[in-house]
Amino acid sequence: GENVEQHPSTLSVQEGDSAVIKCTYSDSASNYFPWYKQELGKGPQLIIDIRSNVGEKKDQRIAVTLNKTAKHFSLHITETQPEDSAVYFCAASLNAGNMLTFGGGTRLMVKP
Amino acid sequence: EPEVTQTPSHQVTQMGQEVILRCVPISNHLYFYWYRQILGQKVEFLVSFYNNEISEKSEIFDDQFSVERPDGSNFTLKIRSTKLEDSAMYFCASMRQGVSGNTIYFGEGSWLTVV
Repeated sequence: GENVEQHPSTLSVQEGDSAVIKCTYSDSASNYFPWYKQELGKGPQLIIDIRSNVGEKKDQRIAVTLNKTAKHFSLHITETQPEDSAVYFCAASLNAGNMLTFGGGTRLMVKP
Repeated sequence: EPEVTQTPSHQVTQMGQEVILRCVPISNHLYFYWYRQILGQKVEFLVSFYNNEISEKSEIFDDQFSVERPDGSNFTLKIRSTKLEDSAMYFCASMRQGVSGNTIYFGEGSWLTVV
């Protein structure tokens, strides 16, 4: 089955700096790659997703890149703010709606 | 913004007891899911449900687990005879297939502690 690895497990950045979180996946059949943000005591919230027919997607300060050949995808957050502090999860699935396989999570801390 | 609601937020139960976790998915959604997260571990898929039947399930979802949509609004996860290792946060999620793409919305979770 699918296996998703995520790095780093913790990331500390200064406010205003960029943060990059990387994930690799094992199943070349996967086509859907969402990113979730989880704040303390809350459920995962989708922040951005990308499908395999696209190499990059951007939404304001957040961007995701996908390299299907290498089977890795990354989350980029620019101009980080303290409210970006949370745990971020990447995931992969065959298609949106199929079971999601999650990475282990990255705890991002943005220092003011 | 519409949201997935889960009850209870926290439940403590004796080993061997039955537990029912309840979820109210977003009203016009058609696909429903349960995931769990053991403390310090990855979020894991349990089961997906569509058109009143299970569409996909993981190895974790064995005979002690069952799901039901007893009416038009609730979606429940039942654990028949709880074990210590069932202690985890259980997340319900739902999805509506839309023209703009599919988005899975998660609830805030039910924290189950088996003692």
